Amino acid sequence: SQQGEEDPQALSIQEGENATMNCSYKTSINNLQWYRQNSGRGLVHLILIRSNEREKHSGRLRVTLDTSKKSSSLLITASRAADTASYFCATATNDYKLSFGAGTTVTVRA
Amino acid sequence: DTAVSQTPKYLVTQMGNDKSIKCEQNLGHDTMYWYKQDSKKFLKIMFSYNNKELIINETVPNRFSPKSPDKAHLNLHINSLELGDSAVYFCASGTGGTDTQYFGPGTRLTVL
Repeated sequence: SQQGEEDPQALSIQEGENATMNCSYKTSINNLQWYRQNSGRGLVHLILIRSNEREKHSGRLRVTLDTSKKSSSLLITASRAADTASYFCATATNDYKLSFGAGTTVTVRA
Repeated sequence: DTAVSQTPKYLVTQMGNDKSIKCEQNLGHDTMYWYKQDSKKFLKIMFSYNNKELIINETVPNRFSPKSPDKAHLNLHINSLELGDSAVYFCASGTGGTDTQYFGPGTRLTVL
């Protein structure tokens, strides 16, 4: 079974609003990564947070990691139409595998 | 310049046929991967090669055989295609270990 599970499965917001999605996982990790997938395209890496980090920022993205709760969140601030995509968390474990969830589909309405 | 490329982008074929998907990366990475994304968007690793050597081989039917002629290429050959093989197949590359991976655009395989 997959390691990471995103919540919610789908999210619809107005342009300019913030979007928050969560990821829960089951076993110890080396790092956790977030990827974006636009419709019909490949995955694009957004941000990587290591197991000894608690928060990381990249532009309008903010990622948190709570290893005690085995969970992470991705916040997209001031969303734009171009942020419409599916967002995946992937957990990296010491067997050199990335395990993905089924993603959160985000729709940003103009 | 395309970093990770795959051909073909779409592949429609009949059950029982044999088909190949090609992948090339120009990022100089040592490690390449094949993933399968099903209709529910769940992405699962199939294989990983490091410098032409197989390092990850998940529970995948023997009908799937990866081949790496050099570290910039990782092809996927599928024998005796079945309906359940219909999915989007992604190639990816990376520096290996637990670092970032770079994905190709995907190949949508439809088995009729």
